[in-house]
Amino acid sequence: AQSVTQPDIHITVSEGASLELRCNYSYGATPYLFWYVQSPGQGLQLLLKYFSGDTLVQGIKGFEAEFKRSQSSFNLRKPSVHWSDAAEYFCAVGGRGGADGLTFGKGTHLIIQP
Amino acid sequence: DVKVTQSSRYLVKRTGEKVFLECVQDMDHENMFWYRQDPGLGLRLIYFSYDVKMKEKGDIPEGYSVSREKKERFSLILESASTNQTSMYLCASSFSHSGNNEQFFGPGTRLTVL
Repeated sequence: AQSVTQPDIHITVSEGASLELRCNYSYGATPYLFWYVQSPGQGLQLLLKYFSGDTLVQGIKGFEAEFKRSQSSFNLRKPSVHWSDAAEYFCAVGGRGGADGLTFGKGTHLIIQP
Repeated sequence: DVKVTQSSRYLVKRTGEKVFLECVQDMDHENMFWYRQDPGLGLRLIYFSYDVKMKEKGDIPEGYSVSREKKERFSLILESASTNQTSMYLCASSFSHSGNNEQFFGPGTRLTVL
């Protein structure tokens, strides 16, 4: 069965500092990987996705993520965070079929210190 | 832009009531999904549908049913609401063809069962 682990429940980062959110997955085939962000009281917004090709993917809002097959990881990074990045971040894994549901991690709550 | 709308942002119901949560998408997506989101548990898939009148159980279908009479509309039904169904409910939709199973989310319905 597929699964996603986000080991950090909460992370606190100073504004302007770099950020890395960890994601490890378990999937039997080549995975499709996603990072979503949820601002307070809102639905989920897609930050970026990996389907194939270049293992470093660029997303919106200055985020990027790197797929490392050997480590079963898909960590999210940003070189300099802004106060508006404070939110809940979810990593998800899915299969090739469009009808397949996604399996989500439990989320990482990002707090930005001034 | 893809738009997924949910009928209510906030809903308060009493134990034993029948509850309908409605979701509509405007992008002609084949697949639609219902998740519930609880603190510390992330998103858990309740039901999904890959076509009109088709439905599949997700990870936690107990106590819920769904209806999809039209392609753009997917309803979640709580036959007899209980307090442990107090949660945030998120609807999502996606295309069906292989290679693109990105899900688009609605803003969520926060349901409180008293």
